[in-house]
Amino acid sequence: QKEVEQDPGPLSVPEGAIVSLNCTYSNSAFQYFMWYRQYSRKGPELLMYTYSSGNKEDGRFTAQVDKSSKYISLFIRDSQPSDSATYLCAFTGSGSARQLTFGSGTQLTVLP
Amino acid sequence: NAGVTQTPKFRVLKTGQSMTLLCAQDMNHEYMYWYRQDPGMGLRLIHYSVGEGTTAKGEVPDGYNVSRLKKQNFLLGLESAAPSQTSVYFCASRSQVNTEAFFGQGTRLTVV
Repeated sequence: QKEVEQDPGPLSVPEGAIVSLNCTYSNSAFQYFMWYRQYSRKGPELLMYTYSSGNKEDGRFTAQVDKSSKYISLFIRDSQPSDSATYLCAFTGSGSARQLTFGSGTQLTVLP
Repeated sequence: NAGVTQTPKFRVLKTGQSMTLLCAQDMNHEYMYWYRQDPGMGLRLIHYSVGEGTTAKGEVPDGYNVSRLKKQNFLLGLESAAPSQTSVYFCASRSQVNTEAFFGQGTRLTVV
């Protein structure tokens, strides 16, 4: 079983739609839960992170974590064509190097 | 502020050739990482470093070596390239106190 499972998509939605992206994980040692956004031919950039169960909002983006179910989600409201990218969930524990473990990424296209 | 810079951006190698990928960061970060990204597999950790003069193996270290002689630089070496090493390579760095990892723009390597 993989440590992290992420639906690869691709996902195509019309502009203005609500997008839901999800990941499940199996490692109970993960303490930080992140979403990275990666535009085509670019490096990933941190979008949001949290370390507790519940919701965290940042503008049109909401990150949701359910530690009991080992499930995290990213919601995008009022999606825009500029949101078209690959979204990667990422996890890290409390080890000294705190290296990131990534999901395989979901490719999202928002159609104008 | 350059952030994380990778050199070169593109390279084509013949099987058996060697090369070194350079990663340089100007943020005085302690931790540095090398990942490879393949379709459908997300980012997988090759090697990482928690400080100058220290390195450690990640998830997929075979066929690669690394060195961190200076805090700002992290080198990834391929001694004898194989077609299975065709990939996009990303370097990342992070400070000890922050969760966010900063990524370079990637190096696209093709081994023929």
